[in-house]
Amino acid sequence: DADVTQTPRNRITKTGKRIMLECSQTKGHDRMYWYRQDPGLGLRLIYYSFDVKDINKGEISDGYSVSRQAQAKFSLSLESAIPNQTALYFCATSDGTGGRYGNEQFFGPGTRLTVL
Amino acid sequence: GQSLEQPSEVTAVEGAIVQINCTYQTSGFYGLSWYQQHDGGAPTFLSYNALDGLEETGRFSSFLSRSDSYGYLLLQELQMKDSASYFCAVRGNSGYALNFGKGTSLLVTP
Repeated sequence: DADVTQTPRNRITKTGKRIMLECSQTKGHDRMYWYRQDPGLGLRLIYYSFDVKDINKGEISDGYSVSRQAQAKFSLSLESAIPNQTALYFCATSDGTGGRYGNEQFFGPGTRLTVL
Repeated sequence: GQSLEQPSEVTAVEGAIVQINCTYQTSGFYGLSWYQQHDGGAPTFLSYNALDGLEETGRFSSFLSRSDSYGYLLLQELQMKDSASYFCAVRGNSGYALNFGKGTSLLVTP
């Protein structure tokens, strides 16, 4: 079984709809992240969480919200989806213990979201 | 703020060596990482450098010069499966969150 899972894998929705993307991990990591990827722009950080009580905005948080329901679950919501939120969304985790392996982030398979 | 610059595309021949450069500007620096991403897939971790010098992991090596705000990823004995996008990323002041470059698309030709 995959260590970091994301649901749904693909989603098509309409402008104005609320949508939630879910991420679960079995790695036991405290740190979780949401990124979006657009062609030619690399990965950009939306939100990150260092534990259940700690939520932080990233580079492009406007139009998004998150919920850290448990150590293993971190959800991303689009309250009112718009077409320029069409992108590939990745969840990632890390254990933050430092050094090479503490800095490694483990990515889920991604959710391809299309907003019409 | 933070910014990273890397070439958008590189082409190399199977069996050759290729170097992908990355220059960065960041208000705080805690290390430079490299990730590989095959088309449509999840990024996967390749290497991390916190101190100056070369780190080697099999066919891949990564170098860092903190005084020059510069690093590179070196891929040796290129294989067709190495065709992918490669991203450099820095840890800045936002703890362990990463700021990624826009990626370098590597095409390995026969």
